[in-house]
Amino acid sequence: GENVEQHPSTLSVQEGDSAVIKCTYSDSASNYFPWYKQELGKRPQLIIDIRSNVGEKKDQRIAVTLNKTAKHFSLHITETQPEDSAVYFCAASSNSGYSTLTFGKGTMLLVSP
Amino acid sequence: DGGITQSPKYLFRKEGQNVTLSCEQNLNHDAMYWYRQDPGQGLRLIYYSQIVNDFQKGDIAEGYSVSREKKESFPLTVTSAQKNPTAFYLCAIRSRARETEAFFGQGTRLTVV
Repeated sequence: GENVEQHPSTLSVQEGDSAVIKCTYSDSASNYFPWYKQELGKRPQLIIDIRSNVGEKKDQRIAVTLNKTAKHFSLHITETQPEDSAVYFCAASSNSGYSTLTFGKGTMLLVSP
Repeated sequence: DGGITQSPKYLFRKEGQNVTLSCEQNLNHDAMYWYRQDPGQGLRLIYYSQIVNDFQKGDIAEGYSVSREKKESFPLTVTSAQKNPTAFYLCAIRSRARETEAFFGQGTRLTVV
């Protein structure tokens, strides 16, 4: 099955800095890669996703890049703000058989004012 | 709740008891999932179902059981065979189309007392 590795497990930045979270996956059949943000005690919510037919996607301060050859994808947050502090999860989904989302272990991002 | 409702929000279980967590959706999505979340472990898949009366084991199914008698409902039973059930449980739904996001319920925090 799919295996998703996520790094770093914690990330501390100053307000205004950029933050980068990286994930690798193992199943070459995976073709959908979402990123979720989870605030303390709340449900994960989708912030951005990318499909395998594109290499980069941007939404305001958030961008995701995908390298299918190397099987890795990254989340980039620019001009970080304290409200960006949360746990971020990457995930991968295969297009074969029963399609499930396999998640990384999460990155706790702390943005200090 | 964005079309997916989990209940209860908090649940306490005595040693040796079975408990059932509820997950209901009104978005007419085919796929439903149960994930378990522990600190530092990310989201681990317990069971999933793509259609009524059919479900598949995920990565950590031991000690859990599910049913899918109706499209709207996917209850999870935590049995006494689950040795370490204290965790945050998240239900998710997804369209049958493979490259789509999953929507999560608000979660149930289960504690063994």
